Formats: sequence, C-alpha cells, structure tokens
Amino acid sequence: SAVISQKPSRDICQRGTSLTIQCQVDSQVTMMFWYRQQPGQSLTLIATANQGSEATYESGFVIDKFPISRPNLTFSTLTVSNMSPEDSSIYLCSGGVGGLNEQFFGPGTRLTVL
Amino acid sequence: GIQVEQSPPDLILQEGANSTLRCNFSDSVNNLQWFHQNPWGQLINLFYIPSGTKQNGRLSATTVATERYSLLYISSSQTTDSGVYFCAGDPSGGGFKTIFGAGTRLFVKA
Repeated sequence: SAVISQKPSRDICQRGTSLTIQCQVDSQVTMMFWYRQQPGQSLTLIATANQGSEATYESGFVIDKFPISRPNLTFSTLTVSNMSPEDSSIYLCSGGVGGLNEQFFGPGTRLTVL
Repeated sequence: GIQVEQSPPDLILQEGANSTLRCNFSDSVNNLQWFHQNPWGQLINLFYIPSGTKQNGRLSATTVATERYSLLYISSSQTTDSGVYFCAGDPSGGGFKTIFGAGTRLFVKA
C-alpha cells in the first residue's frame, strides 16, 4: 500500500477567495491524481499531476480554475480559485503505485464555500 | 465515454447477512479496483482485481474481464461494513483516466 496525507482536512471559505490543498505521498507512488466528490456523488477525476510540467486536465476542468503543481515526485498542490458555493465538495488526492495504477487515496479535504 | 454501472444502488442488510455487489463496464477497462468509503469519507482500498478472484477475510471479489463485470461479495456482514462501495477502472488504451461507478450505499443494521 501507499501512505497519502492531505491538508487541510476541512475548510470553510468565502466566495471569491482561493484555497490551496496539499498532498504528500510516500516514495512508492509514481502517479498522482486529484479528484472531486460533490455532495452525495461519486468521484470525478480533475487531473493527473505531472512532475515538473503542466497537469493533464479532464474534460470540464481548466487550469485557471484548478491550478495544480507537482514540483517533485512526492508532493502536489491543488488550488481551487475564485470559489463559489458550487465548489463545495470533498477534494481527494490519490497516488498510483507502480506501472499498474493501483490507487490509494488520501483522507480528503472537505471544502465548504459560503 | 465508458460507462460504469453499479448495482444495487442501495442495500440494507441485517447484521450477519451476505450480499453481492455488481459492477458492469460498457467497454474494456484496466486496473479495476473496489473501494469502501466509510461514513467519515475515507476511501479504503479493498481489492485491485483486473481479473480473477481474490479473498480478504469476509470479503472476496471476482472480475470477468472478457465479460466486463466484477462482483464484490460480503459475507457475515457487520455494522462496520456500512458505507459506500465504489468500483473504478481505467479505459483500455486511454491511459490513466480512472472512472468511478456511482456506488452502492450499504447500511448494515445491528
């Protein structure tokens, strides 16, 4: 397995502000991903965090809204920019182990936007 | 894109009962996994099972990749099994673009 940590665990933010979420993985991880889970829904992949280069975003997600960094193999950040109440969700970081993409998840960041 | 269908969507069990959860994919997938999301939101890996059968205590899973489905068996259910069970996989030939099913919400009554 892999150990994934995230912070903050939760936050309440005002509309129009931005929040940066941090994810730390252990050295077994090769791939890093960010997901969103809206209330009562399943998980949706936001992007693949690429080390030292721009993230690969899925349809419906753009860099201006969700800038992602991965400066090294074991650390990544996701920023939720110019937040609105519709951004209230759980944001989860995951790490893929080896070349088979068996994924392990962090505890998530529960975001509420007022 | 690929569709992932999980059934049943909701399930209520009496403690000690057995159950089978199903996951169907509309096209071939790689890296099929089962997860349990507990009531506190933590996603816990249950099985990485691209094909074949695995067992871990009271849980077991079977994936028939050629027929694009996977089954999760829960035996002698306990209240701590409550939560949401998700299956997920990466579309074949599409890189790592993991798609999750909608989940099965399980409540086990004492």
